Amino acid sequence: GEDVEQSLFLSVREGDSSVINCTYTDSSSTYLYWYKQEPGAGLQLLTYIFSNMDMKQDQRLTVLLNKKDKHLSLRIADTQTGDSAIYFCAERSTGRRALTFGSGTRLQVQP
Amino acid sequence: DTAVSQTPKYLVTQMGNDKSIKCEQNLGHDTMYWYKQDSKKFLKIMFSYNNKELIINETVPNRFSPKSPDKAHLNLHINSLELGDSAVYFCASSQDSGAYYEQYFGPGTRLTVT
Repeated sequence: GEDVEQSLFLSVREGDSSVINCTYTDSSSTYLYWYKQEPGAGLQLLTYIFSNMDMKQDQRLTVLLNKKDKHLSLRIADTQTGDSAIYFCAERSTGRRALTFGSGTRLQVQP
Repeated sequence: DTAVSQTPKYLVTQMGNDKSIKCEQNLGHDTMYWYKQDSKKFLKIMFSYNNKELIINETVPNRFSPKSPDKAHLNLHINSLELGDSAVYFCASSQDSGAYYEQYFGPGTRLTVT
């Protein structure tokens, strides 16, 4: 079955770059997503990447996809205290509507 | 306007009770989902409905019964609540003819079973 893994915790200083990593096992993944969850809130889609892309940039966010190694990363440039949240990697396989989520990475941004 | 709404936001109840959580989306989407987030923040799909038809049922106990009266609503009824049912339940919706099948999530319902 599908499996998505992330490291649990990342701490950075304000102004630094953050890199959150994710690995997945399903080779039929078509879309890969990054969601953000702030305390007590629902999930907010940050960005996504289609499996035939290597990179996607959206303002301070850069997504890198290494399909051969099944590795996805999210880089947040100039990290701010407002970026403190849990970040979930998720994948969607061909023919399957539901998302498979990783365990989430808690990002702590120190002033 | 709230895209995906859930009621109630908090639900505290005793073991053995029956409770329902309601979800509504005003996005015109054709697919709705229920996810469960446990205390370790792990999110897992429970059910999915497409145009009122059940399409995903992920090994969820029979005590959980989803009901979709129309495309915009997906309710979750739970019978004989157990301690292990305590979690945050998220409703989501998507339009499967869209370019990248973005799922929009509701704010969650925190269920505490005592």
